Amino acid sequence: EPEVTQTPSHQVTQMGQEVILRCVPISNHLYFYWYRQILGQKVEFLVSFYNNEISEKSEIFDDQFSVERPDGSNFTLKIRSTKLEDSAMYFCASTGNSNQPQHFGDGTRLSIL
Amino acid sequence: RKEVEQDPGPFNVPEGATVAFNCTYSNSASQSFFWYRQDCRKEPKLLMSVYSSGNEDGRFTAQLNRASQYISLLIRDSKLSDSATYLCALTGGGNKLTFGTGTQLKVEL
Repeated sequence: EPEVTQTPSHQVTQMGQEVILRCVPISNHLYFYWYRQILGQKVEFLVSFYNNEISEKSEIFDDQFSVERPDGSNFTLKIRSTKLEDSAMYFCASTGNSNQPQHFGDGTRLSIL
Repeated sequence: RKEVEQDPGPFNVPEGATVAFNCTYSNSASQSFFWYRQDCRKEPKLLMSVYSSGNEDGRFTAQLNRASQYISLLIRDSKLSDSATYLCALTGGGNKLTFGTGTQLKVEL
């Protein structure tokens, strides 16, 4: 069964550094998403991406965040200058149709020191 | 009122029991509804979509009640492997998923 894959599984970074989280969505999917989950809290939407542009973003997704689809397979989330409160699990998801269920990758655990 | 509300639990049930969870939502324009399962520190995994007509997948039955704005999940004949957090999720005007905080289920011998 096709899967969404994410790398790295765990990233430890000093506060103020830039991080790039990588995702390879399911190959025939067209809609891509990033979510995050702070430990002990609910899964929160960050951004959705379709047709090479952001279609929606949450108030969490401020100027420190950006997304890119640099080639036909990767979908990346960049945090320019990390803060302690950015520590969380970051999940990538994709779907072929906006009304169909989204399938999640196994996440990147981001730890900011 | 929160967008999506779930009883956090935990629900502790013996193996073989039937257990039901509800999830209420505030936005009457919500369009698509799902139950996801999340194991500790893992990704949400789709359990099933939820339809007004009700749908069943083996031991799992989901139902949507638009008039009362809630969805439900029924698990029959609980297994130890059903122990997890069950997340209610829905989409509104856009296609982002809004999640509840989840209901924790512990199935015991």
